[in-house]
Amino acid sequence: DAMVIQNPRYQVTQFGKPVTLSCSQTLNHNVMYWYQQKSSQAPKLLFHYYDKDFNNEADTPDNFQSRRPNTSFCFLDIRSPGLGDAAMYLCATSRVVGTQYFGPGTRLTVL
Amino acid sequence: GESVGLHLPTLSVQEGDNSIINCAYSNSASDYFIWYKQESGKGPQFIIDIRSNMDKRQGQRVTVLLNKTVKHLSLQIAATQPGDSAVYFCAAQETSGSRLTFGEGTQLTVNP
Repeated sequence: DAMVIQNPRYQVTQFGKPVTLSCSQTLNHNVMYWYQQKSSQAPKLLFHYYDKDFNNEADTPDNFQSRRPNTSFCFLDIRSPGLGDAAMYLCATSRVVGTQYFGPGTRLTVL
Repeated sequence: GESVGLHLPTLSVQEGDNSIINCAYSNSASDYFIWYKQESGKGPQFIIDIRSNMDKRQGQRVTVLLNKTVKHLSLQIAATQPGDSAVYFCAAQETSGSRLTFGEGTQLTVNP
């Protein structure tokens, strides 16, 4: 059974058109993460939530925002996608300290 | 700060051989280490983990070795199968936080 679910799996948007990616989890984990991954590079952490506390990475562009309305759901909003934002976006969850479990990812294409 | 790196970007083995993927880390405060497998178009999948109070941990066909003295860990895959072909990432974490630091990734290719 899927524990970390991401929707959609593939998203196509136009340059500058806002897009929202969603993540849900059935693990009841406190922490939820959003990563960006390009090509075969390592995942790059954008931000994470510890319960409702939002933690932004220093180099995450302002173009990227996130919402966590409850324990189970977390959203990634890209306000004005550029060509350089085309990537795989990964959601992960964990307890406070411990293994992070990843979802299948959303492949974002920007036209 | 922490950096985690892999010694080889690619590794090609014959089916049935054993594979060894290496990883070095720099932060001596790292005390939890994870290996992930990522197949093309999928999210990273947890394989095995190890805490710093251990130097070896075994799973099904996989073994992780940790050498804290030289800040090195390795992933050994026994009897490698075509389904093991993927990119493998090591990641390190400090007790004090939940952030993972990932290595660059090694592409493992298993030839039939």
